[in-house]
Amino acid sequence: DARVTQTPRHKVTEMGQEVTMRCQPILGHNTVFWYRQTMMQGLELLAYFRNRAPLDDSGMPKDRFSAEMPDATLATLKIQPSEPRDSAVYFCASGSGQGSYTGELFFGEGSRLTVL
Amino acid sequence: RKEVEQDPGPFNVPEGATVAFNCTYSNSASQSFFWYRQDCRKEPKLLMSVYSSGNEDGRFTAQLNRASQYISLLIRDSKLSDSATYLCVVITGGGNKLTFGTGTQLKVEL
Repeated sequence: DARVTQTPRHKVTEMGQEVTMRCQPILGHNTVFWYRQTMMQGLELLAYFRNRAPLDDSGMPKDRFSAEMPDATLATLKIQPSEPRDSAVYFCASGSGQGSYTGELFFGEGSRLTVL
Repeated sequence: RKEVEQDPGPFNVPEGATVAFNCTYSNSASQSFFWYRQDCRKEPKLLMSVYSSGNEDGRFTAQLNRASQYISLLIRDSKLSDSATYLCVVITGGGNKLTFGTGTQLKVEL
């Protein structure tokens, strides 16, 4: 049963610490998204990769967030330094598409981050 | 104005009722539309695509109104298991940007 895998599932850290979240997309999917979900803002797009190339990271605070895909089986989202306002659930999602994306997104179970 | 807007609810309805949600979008160049369902503390999952001519999947009917820039989801004969948050998704930017609404919460009660 193919699925998107995210680690860690839960993370509690102190303000100022570095946080790294990892995502293994479904094998064969060429599109990876990072979303952040809070009660107030809902799902916000942070970054988006196609064929490992970053296409859009305009939703990501550049001073502290970075997203990479070192290879086709791993996407990372890093926060350094973390702040309490970063507390949220971070979802990775993958899909397949050529050119314009019109397909279904498959989400991981999310990484629940709490920054104290 | 947000790109995609939904009434957050909650919509509390009795079992067997018919309920409808709307979702408005601001970009007239939006290309594709979907409804996702998210259960409490779970990840979103695709419920159905929304086609220009409208489409139905069992008790669920999705409609698109491009002139007024909204999509709708109708649930007939609602079940307790339909209780969830329903998210609309709009694709813009040449297919490169998926924007989610904040979701509408549905609670189906006995």
